[in-house]
Amino acid sequence: QKEVEQDPGPLSVPEGAIVSLNCTYSNSAFQYFMWYRQYSRKGPELLMYTYSSGNKEDGRFTAQVDKSSKYISLFIRDSQPSDSATYLCAMRAMDTGRRALTFGSGTRLQVQP
Amino acid sequence: DSGVTQTPKHLITATGQRVTLRCSPRSGDLSVYWYQQSLDQGLQFLIQYYNGEERAKGNILERFSAQQFPDLHSELNLSSLELGDSALYFCASSVAWGTGELFFGEGSRLTVL
Repeated sequence: QKEVEQDPGPLSVPEGAIVSLNCTYSNSAFQYFMWYRQYSRKGPELLMYTYSSGNKEDGRFTAQVDKSSKYISLFIRDSQPSDSATYLCAMRAMDTGRRALTFGSGTRLQVQP
Repeated sequence: DSGVTQTPKHLITATGQRVTLRCSPRSGDLSVYWYQQSLDQGLQFLIQYYNGEERAKGNILERFSAQQFPDLHSELNLSSLELGDSALYFCASSVAWGTGELFFGEGSRLTVL
């Protein structure tokens, strides 16, 4: 079983829809949670960064962490065709030697105009 | 543009051969990470260097090695190549070695025939 599970999609939504992307994880040591966006033929870019449980909002994007359920989410409001990309969740622990990020496999999102 | 430069962008080689991938981190970043991305495995952490020293090791094969030079650029050496090594290899950099905010290059696509 992978440490981080993410539905690969593809997820297709109409423009303006609210999108919900999710990841589950098994390692209770994970404390830092991130969402990266990857456009085709490009490297991932950081979208959201959260620590521990709770919500964080940035424009149309909201990241949510529920450590008790080992579940994180990314919500995109008023989705745009330019949001079409693969979204990767990532997380890391604090202990020495495990500072590298563990990524989910990514969810491909298509926003139809 | 993330500021991380990777060369070459594309590489086609034969089984049994050896290749070197090069990465120049963002100006001022001391930490360099190498990731492998394949369709079935997602982004897999290979190795991390900080200011010339190895800091963390992931699922890096013994046939693979890396180093970070005094000018902070890094090289990933892949030898005795197999078909299964075909993948996108990403380099990422960050200011410190414990951060989750990684800046990725555009990757080197390796095809082993």
